Amino acid sequence: EPEVTQTPSHQVTQMGQEVILRCVPISNHLYFYWYRQILGQKVEFLVSFYNNEISEKSEIFDDQFSVERPDGSNFTLKIRSTKLEDSAMYFCASTDYEQYFGPGTRLTVT
Amino acid sequence: KNEVEQSPQNLTAQEGEFITINCSYSVGISALHWLQQHPGGGIVSLFMLSSGKKKHGRLIATINIQEKHSSLHITASHPRDSAVYICAVDSGGSNYKLTFGKGTLLTVNP
Repeated sequence: EPEVTQTPSHQVTQMGQEVILRCVPISNHLYFYWYRQILGQKVEFLVSFYNNEISEKSEIFDDQFSVERPDGSNFTLKIRSTKLEDSAMYFCASTDYEQYFGPGTRLTVT
Repeated sequence: KNEVEQSPQNLTAQEGEFITINCSYSVGISALHWLQQHPGGGIVSLFMLSSGKKKHGRLIATINIQEKHSSLHITASHPRDSAVYICAVDSGGSNYKLTFGKGTLLTVNP
């Protein structure tokens, strides 16, 4: 069964550093998403991506965040200068109508 | 903005019991998703509903569009059903993004 993959599974970084979280969506899907879940809180929408551009972003997705599809398979989320409050689980998802989630990347900012 | 409320927040059951988790939302939707999240964080899609009822094994999901309410039932619960169950809605629009409830932590004791 096709699946969404994410790397790394866990990333530890220092405050102020840049991080790139990587995702490989399901190959024939057209819509891609990044969601975030801070420990103990609900999952929140960050950004959706369609046809090689952002289709919608949330208030959380400020200038520190960017997304890219650098080739035909990868979908990345970059945080330019990480803050302590960026510590969370980041989920990538793709959809052909039903959403398929990756296993998540746990980001820890120290 | 759609508000998604789940109840109960926590649920403890004995093996074999019938479980019901409820979800209500504030604004009309195009689809509702029930998701399962195990310790360690990965999210698995259980159901996507836009009307009526769906069944998969011991899991049953129903939705009442007029009342803006959905239920997830688990028959003959088992300790391996222990997880967080999350309701999420697609409020329509063009990009299928999801708005999530806080989740229900289910613990099934042997």
